[in-house]
Amino acid sequence: NAGVIQTPRHKVTGKGQEATLWCEPISGHSAVFWYRQTIVQGLEFLTYFRNQAPIDDSGMPKERFSAQMPNQSHSTLKIQSTQPQDSAVYLCASSLDGNTLYFGEGSRLIVV
Amino acid sequence: GDKVKQSPSALSLQEGTNSALRCNFSIAATTVQWFLQNPRGSLINLFYLVPGTKENGRLKSAFDSKESYSTLHIRDAQLEDSGTYFCAAEGAGGNNKLTFGQGTVLSVIP
Repeated sequence: NAGVIQTPRHKVTGKGQEATLWCEPISGHSAVFWYRQTIVQGLEFLTYFRNQAPIDDSGMPKERFSAQMPNQSHSTLKIQSTQPQDSAVYLCASSLDGNTLYFGEGSRLIVV
Repeated sequence: GDKVKQSPSALSLQEGTNSALRCNFSIAATTVQWFLQNPRGSLINLFYLVPGTKENGRLKSAFDSKESYSTLHIRDAQLEDSGTYFCAAEGAGGNNKLTFGQGTVLSVIP
């Protein structure tokens, strides 16, 4: 079992450009979560899917951020018109039952 | 204020000694998870807890929902235990959304 796979591991993007991050959950896991980690804010919840359906996106900035789960094997987090304050490590996690979370290694986004 | 407050924020341990980390909750936590973030950045799940205790090797964790705290005990600390420990609580809404503490940076020294 390869664990949760996130790509890219590192991305540098210019201010105003779009960034798309990918997550492949552990096979068979029905719940997928996105979190963001920064030095200042720590680990923050962004959004949550169960059986590919969006359940809770209360942590997502309302503008410029969107997440999708088109099939059970991957989820994407898209940030439009990136800003320097979007720089963070974006972490994806999956769970078999919504309880124990298994995290990927994260995608480090730097907006210059 | 912080909904999940961890203490201490940093800790240095001699190899072979014991210590305890603590989380206090100002939310009505229903479940707690403890994670270790290693130098690569991976968050490794150590425990998933409903109120009660669990033990795994040299680690033991307890969660008291009435007193709103959780602890993680490390026995016979080893060099590979070094990293940042996070606790995270799920609130009463039951929506599986975790609120994380700010972490405890643990350094185990020879």
